[in-house]
Parts: sequence; structure tokens; C-alpha cells
Amino acid sequence: EAGVAQSPRYKIIEKRQSVAFWCNPISGHATLYWYQQILGQGPKLLIQFQNNGVVDDSQLPKDRFSAERLKGVDSTLKIQPAKLEDSAVYLCASSPFPTPGLAGGGGRNEQFFGPGTRLTVL
Amino acid sequence: RKEVEQDPGPFNVPEGATVAFNCTYSNSASQSFFWYRQDCRKEPKLLMSVYSSGNEDGRFTAQLNRASQYISLLIRDSKLSDSATYLCVVSRNNNDMRFGAGTRLTVKP
Repeated sequence: EAGVAQSPRYKIIEKRQSVAFWCNPISGHATLYWYQQILGQGPKLLIQFQNNGVVDDSQLPKDRFSAERLKGVDSTLKIQPAKLEDSAVYLCASSPFPTPGLAGGGGRNEQFFGPGTRLTVL
Repeated sequence: RKEVEQDPGPFNVPEGATVAFNCTYSNSASQSFFWYRQDCRKEPKLLMSVYSSGNEDGRFTAQLNRASQYISLLIRDSKLSDSATYLCVVSRNNNDMRFGAGTRLTVKP
């Protein structure tokens, strides 16, 4: 089974420029996530889609970041304009439609991550 | 206070050692708990889910203490290949995920 695909793998831009990342989730996965991982930190959720609707975008800096998932499959994440602090790895993940967690926790909502896009803003 | 906190390490242990990682979370409404593994410059991958009764998968044992809002991961008989960063993940409603910063483990010969 093909995994989550992301492109480009690497991107170097200057501050104030714009950049876009693309993600193709695992076929049939309804939920898609974008994360930002700054060096030395854990992934931070930016936005979560279920099909083509937004479930959570509370941590997305909406003044400069935008994301869409047209037709509920592929997704793009855009930064406009970029700042130095946006330098990070941008990870896309997908998961099947979540099933209710088992009593006491431990629901089987595994996320499958793509290889990420490493963004450097100069 | 961060939603999910982990000891960043690094933990440097010899092969064959037993090592334990701890994680605390702040939101008492959290329902699902996971440990992910992330190798250097790679994407995170699910290691194991964490169940209330505790669960074991080979050399790995995960424990959950809801009262203390605490999760642990125990690795027995460490292998060189266990060297990685271990991410604690907490979810409130089986959708959103909150990751800790990770604990780095290096297993040495």
C-alpha cells in the first residue's frame, strides 16, 4: 500500500516570499493533518481535515498560513509571507475515519505520516 | 504549562539495559494515548497505543495513570536499533493529537 506522499521534500526561500506544500494521503483515509515540527520539538498540529471539512485549525496562524483539501483527497498548505521562524519540517499525516476509543483510552486512531517537507527561510 | 510534557533526555544507555520514559499531560479530558517513535530526520511512526490496564508488546510496556495524568514507556533489553526519539501523544476526542517534545534515547554497544 502506498504511503502518504509529500512534495517538495526540501524548499529554501527568502523571508516574505510565499511557499506551498502538497500532500496526497493514503487512499481511503478520511482524515488529514498538517503538522509543523521545529528542530528539537515535537510535531505541532496546524490543521486537521475530515474529508474536505476543517475539524481543528486552532493552532494555525491564519494571518499567514492557509490550507485546503478540495474534493477531500489531496491537500495544500501555503505560507504567505514566510518568516524566519517558519523554518521547520512540515509533516502531513492521514488516518482512517476514527473509531471510538476503547473504554479507558487507547483508541486505534493511528496516524500515518509522510516524509515531510523541510523548509528553510533565509 | 505545555499540554504534554516529557523529559527531553538524552538517555544514553548500554545495550541490554532497561530504560523508562515518563510523560505527563494537563488535560484531564484526554481519552487516547500513544507512543510514537521518530528516527533522526524521519517521520514519526506509531510504536504502541496505551490502554488503561497497561499493555505490553515484546520488550515494550506502556502504562497509563489517569489519576496522576501520567504515561510511561518501559523498554527492556535495549537494542542499538531502539535509538530514536520517543514521542508521547495525547488525544482528547480521538481526532486531535497533541505531541510532547520527545525523549531522545541512544543505546550504545
